[in-house]
Amino acid sequence: SQQGEEDPQALSIQEGENATMNCSYKTSINNLQWYRQNSGRGLVHLILIRSNEREKHSGRLRVTLDTSKKSSSLLITASRAADTASYFCATDKLDSSYKLIFGSGTRLLVRP
Amino acid sequence: GAGVSQSPSNKVTEKGKDVELRCDPISGHTALYWYRQSLGQGLEFLIYFQGNSAPDKSGLPSDRFSAERTGGSVSTLTIQRTQQEDSAVYLCASSARDRGAGYTFGSGTRLTVV
Repeated sequence: SQQGEEDPQALSIQEGENATMNCSYKTSINNLQWYRQNSGRGLVHLILIRSNEREKHSGRLRVTLDTSKKSSSLLITASRAADTASYFCATDKLDSSYKLIFGSGTRLLVRP
Repeated sequence: GAGVSQSPSNKVTEKGKDVELRCDPISGHTALYWYRQSLGQGLEFLIYFQGNSAPDKSGLPSDRFSAERTGGSVSTLTIQRTQQEDSAVYLCASSARDRGAGYTFGSGTRLTVV
């Protein structure tokens, strides 16, 4: 079953604008990760935020985590056409398993 | 190798045939995962290997699916008597033991059952 649910399912913005994607999850977690996927193939790890962290930055990416609301957001600032991709959140549940559970993803289109 | 390698890249098979998908993880990564992604969907967990521990097979959809990992490295996912609903991209990933490590994914095998 899906642990994370992304919102919106699809997002279309103009180059230079900011893009915000949200992720909600159901159970307590060790960490939450964001991945990017181009052309329906392999995913690329973008950023990991631990359950005791509230915000993390990496280049033009900013991730926030609110464990009380069981939600996270990914902000891409000053978007570029090359940012066009699907973005997935994945949660590492607070249990003995080490597997990540992925959401259904947000399809981002950045128009040049 | 430098990344996770999967083969074949594409596989078309007839319904009822068996297929084997291969994954070569990053050297030194003790954890290996198989996921399945249907068109336009999220990733569905299939199976997870960690070192010499018993694999977590909780995501395998039926007994037609099996996987093994030999010598703690290469893994093979086998689908017996393939069905059309098995058509998907099968993704393999590996990670270091550290729980704070992200996954490195291969490019996947696109399986089409006709």
